[in-house]
Amino acid sequence: QVQMVQSGAEVKTPGASVKISCKASGYTFTSYYIHWVRQAPGQGLEWMGVINPSGGKTYYAQKFQGRVTMTRDTSTSTVYMEMSSLRSEDTAVYYCARKQTNYFDYWGQGTLVTVSS
Amino acid sequence: QPVLTQPSSHSASSGASVRLTCMLSSGFSVGDFWIRWYQQKPGNPPRYLLYYHSDSNKGQGSGVPSRFSGSNDASANAGILRISGLQPEDEADYYCGTWHSNSKTQVFGGGTKLTVL
Repeated sequence: QVQMVQSGAEVKTPGASVKISCKASGYTFTSYYIHWVRQAPGQGLEWMGVINPSGGKTYYAQKFQGRVTMTRDTSTSTVYMEMSSLRSEDTAVYYCARKQTNYFDYWGQGTLVTVSS
Repeated sequence: QPVLTQPSSHSASSGASVRLTCMLSSGFSVGDFWIRWYQQKPGNPPRYLLYYHSDSNKGQGSGVPSRFSGSNDASANAGILRISGLQPEDEADYYCGTWHSNSKTQVFGGGTKLTVL
């Protein structure tokens, strides 16, 4: 069965960086794009960007350009999302999600990132 | 890029039908987009419900009851999620989303908190 398993919660100080992993299993890793979506406490969904696991090509939301980097490791079927220059407003649950043709069909369990001094 | 606007909250009685709206910003036509709908309950990632583009191009998520359905309201330039026979377990946040191919951007609405009375 398809699973997207994310790394554990992180606590960071302002200005630091964080790198979250999302390990996919149960399907051919390179066949589906993987997106990253975050959700601040009590807020809605915010799209961050997407990576094509096949070639590694990425597209980022304009808001995160220059601060977010998405990479993948095909040998372990894992995608990574790294965000730098963290600030308190980046406190959120970060999700990876597999993109089926028309929709996000499988989501990771979410990774809580807390940015606090 | 387009903006999707959803009412922040909606309430209805158990057994009733509700119509949740997702309005597309000016300059974009809802008929040109595939609107996806997601349901999110506290502490869980979103769950895909369905997508709607036209009566001949729509899809239901796996295991999603037929009492969840999608449509468009061209006059309001909005996507619609209809839930009939409301049940207590339908109480959740509902998000619409769409992929804007020109800008390679995923857009989400702000979400509607549905309360079942």
